[in-house]
Amino acid sequence: QQQVKQSPQSLIVQKGGISIINCAYENTAFDYFPWYQQFPGKGPALLIAIRPDVSEKKEGRFTISFNKSAKQFSLHIMDSQPGDSATYFCAASSRRDNLFFGTGTRLTVIP
Amino acid sequence: DGGITQSPKYLFRKEGQNVTLSCEQNLNHDAMYWYRQDPGQGLRLIYYSQIVNDFQKGDIAEGYSVSREKKESFPLTVTSAQKNPTAFYLCASSSRTNEKGNQPQHFGDGTRLSIL
Repeated sequence: QQQVKQSPQSLIVQKGGISIINCAYENTAFDYFPWYQQFPGKGPALLIAIRPDVSEKKEGRFTISFNKSAKQFSLHIMDSQPGDSATYFCAASSRRDNLFFGTGTRLTVIP
Repeated sequence: DGGITQSPKYLFRKEGQNVTLSCEQNLNHDAMYWYRQDPGQGLRLIYYSQIVNDFQKGDIAEGYSVSREKKESFPLTVTSAQKNPTAFYLCASSSRTNEKGNQPQHFGDGTRLSIL
Protein backbone atom coordinates (compact mmCIF):
# COMPACT_ATOMS: atom_id res chain seq x y z
CA GLN A 1 0.00 0.00 0.00
CA GLN A 2 1.41 3.32 -1.07
CA GLN A 3 1.79 5.49 2.04
CA VAL A 4 2.28 8.67 0.01
CA LYS A 5 0.44 9.21 -3.27
CA GLN A 6 2.01 11.64 -5.75
CA SER A 7 0.61 13.23 -8.89
CA PRO A 8 1.03 13.87 -11.72
CA GLN A 9 3.45 11.22 -12.96
CA SER A 10 4.83 13.66 -15.53
CA LEU A 11 4.49 17.37 -16.12
CA ILE A 12 5.45 19.66 -18.98
CA VAL A 13 5.63 23.39 -18.29
CA GLN A 14 6.69 26.38 -20.36
CA LYS A 15 9.68 28.39 -19.19
CA GLY A 16 8.48 31.04 -16.75
CA GLY A 17 5.38 29.09 -15.79
CA ILE A 18 4.38 27.56 -12.45
CA SER A 19 4.95 23.85 -11.83
CA ILE A 20 2.67 22.22 -9.27
CA ILE A 21 3.13 18.71 -7.86
CA ASN A 22 0.71 17.24 -5.35
CA CYS A 23 1.01 14.60 -2.65
CA ALA A 24 -1.48 13.02 -0.28
CA TYR A 25 -1.08 10.80 2.77
CA GLU A 26 -3.26 8.90 5.23
CA ASN A 27 -1.10 8.44 8.33
CA THR A 28 -1.92 11.33 10.68
CA ALA A 29 1.25 10.57 12.67
CA PHE A 30 3.41 11.88 9.82
CA ASP A 31 5.13 15.07 10.96
CA TYR A 32 7.92 15.66 8.46
CA PHE A 33 7.38 16.28 4.75
CA PRO A 34 10.46 16.77 2.55
CA TRP A 35 10.72 17.21 -1.20
CA TYR A 36 13.67 15.84 -3.16
CA GLN A 37 14.98 16.72 -6.62
CA GLN A 38 16.76 14.06 -8.67
CA PHE A 39 18.70 14.45 -11.91
CA PRO A 40 19.44 11.41 -14.12
CA GLY A 41 22.23 9.23 -12.75
CA LYS A 42 22.36 11.16 -9.48
CA GLY A 43 21.00 10.66 -6.00
CA PRO A 44 18.04 12.69 -4.74
CA ALA A 45 18.93 16.06 -3.21
CA LEU A 46 16.84 17.62 -0.46
CA LEU A 47 15.05 20.64 -1.90
CA ILE A 48 12.77 21.89 0.87
CA ALA A 49 10.93 20.39 3.83
CA ILE A 50 8.03 21.34 6.08
CA ARG A 51 6.67 20.29 9.46
CA PRO A 52 2.92 20.53 10.19
CA ASP A 53 3.16 23.54 12.51
CA VAL A 54 3.15 25.83 9.44
CA SER A 55 0.94 25.85 6.33
CA GLU A 56 3.51 27.20 3.90
CA LYS A 57 7.26 27.38 3.51
CA LYS A 58 9.10 29.25 0.80
CA GLU A 59 12.72 29.01 -0.28
CA GLY A 60 13.53 31.05 -3.35
CA ARG A 61 11.32 29.89 -6.23
CA PHE A 62 10.21 26.76 -4.35
CA THR A 63 7.18 26.75 -2.02
CA ILE A 64 5.57 23.93 -0.06
CA SER A 65 1.88 24.32 0.75
CA PHE A 66 0.58 22.07 3.52
CA ASN A 67 -3.07 21.29 4.30
CA LYS A 68 -3.21 19.26 7.49
CA SER A 69 -6.98 18.72 7.50
CA ALA A 70 -6.94 17.43 3.92
CA LYS A 71 -3.72 15.48 4.50
CA GLN A 72 -2.21 16.98 1.39
CA PHE A 73 0.91 18.91 0.54
CA SER A 74 2.22 20.33 -2.68
CA LEU A 75 5.34 21.78 -4.26
CA HIS A 76 5.09 24.94 -6.33
CA ILE A 77 7.99 25.98 -8.55
CA MET A 78 7.60 29.58 -9.61
CA ASP A 79 9.18 30.97 -12.80
CA SER A 80 10.14 27.42 -13.88
CA GLN A 81 13.43 27.15 -15.76
CA PRO A 82 14.84 24.45 -18.09
CA GLY A 83 17.41 23.69 -15.35
CA ASP A 84 14.52 22.64 -13.10
CA SER A 85 13.84 19.68 -15.42
CA ALA A 86 14.27 16.68 -13.12
CA THR A 87 12.28 14.10 -11.19
CA TYR A 88 10.73 15.33 -7.96
CA PHE A 89 9.80 13.10 -5.02
CA CYS A 90 7.67 13.96 -2.04
CA ALA A 91 8.09 11.99 1.16
CA ALA A 92 6.67 11.74 4.66
CA SER A 93 7.71 10.29 7.98
CA SER A 94 6.90 10.26 11.66
CA ARG A 95 9.15 9.86 14.70
CA ARG A 96 8.33 6.14 14.67
CA ASP A 97 8.59 5.55 10.93
CA ASN A 98 11.23 5.99 8.30
CA LEU A 99 10.65 8.04 5.17
CA PHE A 100 7.95 6.90 2.76
CA PHE A 101 8.43 8.23 -0.75
CA GLY A 102 5.94 9.09 -3.48
CA THR A 103 6.44 7.53 -6.91
CA GLY A 104 7.96 10.67 -8.41
CA THR A 105 7.03 13.34 -10.97
CA ARG A 106 9.14 13.88 -14.04
CA LEU A 107 9.15 17.61 -14.77
CA THR A 108 10.14 18.97 -18.18
CA VAL A 109 10.44 22.72 -18.62
CA ILE A 110 10.30 23.77 -22.26
CA PRO A 111 12.43 26.78 -23.26
CA ASP B 1 33.87 18.13 1.24
CA GLY B 2 31.42 16.31 3.46
CA GLY B 3 29.21 13.80 1.77
CA ILE B 4 28.26 10.25 0.94
CA THR B 5 30.35 8.17 -1.43
CA GLN B 6 28.92 5.12 -3.14
CA SER B 7 31.00 2.72 -5.19
CA PRO B 8 31.14 1.37 -7.75
CA LYS B 9 28.91 3.52 -9.94
CA TYR B 10 28.07 0.53 -12.16
CA LEU B 11 28.12 -3.13 -11.18
CA PHE B 12 27.32 -6.32 -13.01
CA ARG B 13 26.29 -9.56 -11.35
CA LYS B 14 26.40 -13.06 -12.71
CA GLU B 15 23.81 -15.67 -11.83
CA GLY B 16 24.40 -17.16 -8.37
CA GLN B 17 26.88 -14.48 -7.39
CA ASN B 18 26.84 -12.23 -4.34
CA VAL B 19 27.93 -8.64 -4.83
CA THR B 20 28.67 -5.92 -2.28
CA LEU B 21 27.92 -2.24 -2.71
CA SER B 22 29.97 0.24 -0.74
CA CYS B 23 28.66 3.30 1.11
CA GLU B 24 30.88 5.65 3.10
CA GLN B 25 29.91 8.93 4.77
CA ASN B 26 31.97 11.65 6.45
CA LEU B 27 29.03 13.66 7.75
CA ASN B 28 29.31 12.16 11.25
CA HIS B 29 25.75 10.89 10.91
CA ASP B 30 24.53 8.14 13.22
CA ALA B 31 21.84 6.77 10.91
CA MET B 32 22.37 5.18 7.51
CA TYR B 33 19.93 3.73 4.99
CA TRP B 34 19.79 1.67 1.82
CA TYR B 35 17.07 2.20 -0.78
CA ARG B 36 16.24 0.52 -4.04
CA GLN B 37 14.88 2.64 -6.89
CA ASP B 38 12.93 1.13 -9.78
CA PRO B 39 11.23 3.10 -12.55
CA GLY B 40 7.80 4.32 -11.51
CA GLN B 41 8.08 2.97 -7.96
CA GLY B 42 9.91 5.65 -6.07
CA LEU B 43 12.41 4.65 -3.39
CA ARG B 44 11.87 1.59 -1.25
CA LEU B 45 13.74 0.97 2.00
CA ILE B 46 15.91 -2.16 2.16
CA TYR B 47 17.77 -1.83 5.48
CA TYR B 48 18.59 0.90 7.93
CA SER B 49 20.91 1.39 10.89
CA GLN B 50 20.50 3.92 13.68
CA ILE B 51 23.75 3.08 15.41
CA VAL B 52 26.94 1.06 14.96
CA ASN B 53 26.53 -2.73 15.28
CA ASP B 54 22.74 -2.50 14.95
CA PHE B 55 20.48 -2.55 11.90
CA GLN B 56 16.86 -3.30 11.01
CA LYS B 57 15.04 -4.65 7.99
CA GLY B 58 13.11 -2.25 5.83
CA ASP B 59 10.20 -3.01 3.52
CA ILE B 60 12.08 -5.16 0.99
CA ALA B 61 14.98 -6.81 2.89
CA GLU B 62 14.66 -10.30 1.40
CA GLY B 63 17.75 -11.25 -0.60
CA TYR B 64 19.89 -8.51 0.92
CA SER B 65 22.26 -8.27 3.90
CA VAL B 66 24.14 -5.44 5.59
CA SER B 67 26.71 -4.78 8.29
CA ARG B 68 27.51 -1.70 10.36
CA GLU B 69 30.91 -2.20 11.97
CA LYS B 70 31.93 1.44 11.65
CA LYS B 71 29.94 4.65 11.92
CA GLU B 72 31.17 5.79 8.51
CA SER B 73 30.41 2.62 6.56
CA PHE B 74 27.25 0.68 5.71
CA PRO B 75 27.90 -1.89 2.95
CA LEU B 76 25.03 -3.72 1.26
CA THR B 77 25.36 -7.26 -0.09
CA VAL B 78 22.97 -8.36 -2.81
CA THR B 79 22.83 -12.13 -2.45
CA SER B 80 21.98 -14.77 -5.03
CA ALA B 81 18.62 -15.10 -3.24
CA GLN B 82 17.56 -11.75 -4.68
CA LYS B 83 15.96 -12.88 -7.93
CA ASN B 84 15.43 -9.47 -9.47
CA PRO B 85 18.43 -7.38 -8.42
CA THR B 86 18.58 -5.07 -11.43
CA ALA B 87 17.95 -1.59 -9.99
CA PHE B 88 19.51 1.68 -8.90
CA TYR B 89 20.69 1.43 -5.28
CA LEU B 90 20.89 4.53 -3.12
CA CYS B 91 22.57 5.00 0.24
CA ALA B 92 21.58 7.81 2.60
CA SER B 93 22.51 9.08 6.04
CA SER B 94 21.02 11.40 8.61
CA SER B 95 21.44 12.66 12.13
CA ARG B 96 19.38 10.85 14.73
CA THR B 97 15.81 11.94 15.41
CA ASN B 98 15.81 14.64 18.08
CA GLU B 99 13.26 16.77 19.94
CA LYS B 100 12.47 18.57 16.67
CA GLY B 101 11.62 15.33 14.91
CA ASN B 102 13.13 13.39 12.05
CA GLN B 103 16.23 14.84 10.43
CA PRO B 104 16.92 15.27 6.70
CA GLN B 105 18.37 12.32 4.82
CA HIS B 106 21.28 13.00 2.47
CA PHE B 107 21.90 10.70 -0.45
CA GLY B 108 24.87 9.40 -2.38
CA ASP B 109 24.88 9.23 -6.19
CA GLY B 110 23.93 5.59 -6.34
CA THR B 111 25.13 2.30 -7.79
CA ARG B 112 23.42 0.84 -10.84
CA LEU B 113 23.37 -2.96 -10.65
CA SER B 114 22.68 -5.08 -13.71
CA ILE B 115 22.52 -8.80 -14.38
CA LEU B 116 24.89 -10.32 -16.94
